[in-house]
Amino acid sequence: KQEVTQIPAALSVPEGENLVLNCSFTDSAIYNLQWFRQDPGKGLTSLLLIQSSQREQTSGRLNASLDKSSGRSTLYIAASQPGDSATYLCAVRGWSGGYQKVTFGTGTKLQVIP
Amino acid sequence: DVKVTQSSRYLVKRTGEKVFLECVQDMDHENMFWYRQDPGLGLRLIYFSYDVKMKEKGDIPEGYSVSREKKERFSLILESASTNQTSMYLCASTGTQYEQYFGPGTRLTVT
Repeated sequence: KQEVTQIPAALSVPEGENLVLNCSFTDSAIYNLQWFRQDPGKGLTSLLLIQSSQREQTSGRLNASLDKSSGRSTLYIAASQPGDSATYLCAVRGWSGGYQKVTFGTGTKLQVIP
Repeated sequence: DVKVTQSSRYLVKRTGEKVFLECVQDMDHENMFWYRQDPGLGLRLIYFSYDVKMKEKGDIPEGYSVSREKKERFSLILESASTNQTSMYLCASTGTQYEQYFGPGTRLTVT
């Protein structure tokens, strides 16, 4: 059974700092990994999708890497801004019972202090 | 842009009522999903559908049913709402790259 862990559960940084969020998974046989942000009381917004054959993806100030062999992904946020404050979730897509199954981490709550 | 919409942002219902949550996507996606999200438990899959009139149970289907009569619409039904179904309900669909797109969520309170 796939298990996805995100550490730390919460992180507080001053504005302008570069930061890394971590996502670990136990089963390396994955199809893809997706990073989301969630603002309080809202749905999930997709940030980056990394297919299993890829090592990284970039979008603006965000860079996500994937190392399947070690069961790890990182989300790098450059020059953090107060608007980046949110909960960040990673989701790993694999297989279970003949269907693709997505397992979510419990998230890292990020606060960027002005 | 992919758009997933949910019928209500906030809903308050009484115990025993039948509750309908509706989700519509506009990108012709075949796969649609219903999750609930609770503090400390994360997102849990209730039901999913890979095609019209097709449904599969997720991890926590008890107390729920679903309907998918049209490709763009996936409904979650609480046959007899209970207080332990108070939660945030999230609908999602996936495209050809299996990227998930979520709706804004429905905060359901059952009193």
